[in-house]
Amino acid sequence: QKEVEQDPGPLSVPEGAIVSLNCTYSNSAFQYFMWYRQYSRKGPELLMYTYSSGNKEDGRFTAQVDKSSKYISLFIRDSQPSDSATYLCAPGGNYGQNFVFGPGTRLSVLP
Amino acid sequence: DTAVSQTPKYLVTQMGNDKSIKCEQNLGHDTMYWYKQDSKKFLKIMFSYNNKELIINETVPNRFSPKSPDKAHLNLHINSLELGDSAVYFCASSHPGETYEQYFGPGTRLTVT
Repeated sequence: QKEVEQDPGPLSVPEGAIVSLNCTYSNSAFQYFMWYRQYSRKGPELLMYTYSSGNKEDGRFTAQVDKSSKYISLFIRDSQPSDSATYLCAPGGNYGQNFVFGPGTRLSVLP
Repeated sequence: DTAVSQTPKYLVTQMGNDKSIKCEQNLGHDTMYWYKQDSKKFLKIMFSYNNKELIINETVPNRFSPKSPDKAHLNLHINSLELGDSAVYFCASSHPGETYEQYFGPGTRLTVT
């Protein structure tokens, strides 16, 4: 089993849709769970992070972590064309030490 | 006022050549990284430096040698380039206690022919 797995997509949705992006990981020692967003031909940028299990909301984005099943989700409400990018989950150790990027899910939001 | 900058942005070279990529950050961070993103978009860490000292050295060929002249700069030198080295190389930086938040440069697209 790979350390971090994501559905590569592409995932195409209409503008305004709710998007669910998912990620699984195998290392039970992971404590910090990051989501990075990467626009085409740009470097990744941190979107949000959570610590341990639970939910975290930031505007239209909600990150959810279930450590018992090693499952991470990112929900985007009222998706916009500007959300079109690749979303990389990145679980890691304490304060994100030694985090590992997933392969990313490419999202396309159609106007 | 670019936070993390890399030069060059594009690099096309022939097999066997030696090349360098430069990275500079003006965020005052102590920790800097090099990542490789291959054609399948996998982003893998290669090296990590904290205050000019190497702290992570993943399994990369020893043809790759990072050099940190000061904590704002981390350069990557590659000897004897091979076709498989073609990729996008990203530099990043962070505070040592906030590794989860890394700031990435725009990337250097290396093509080896």
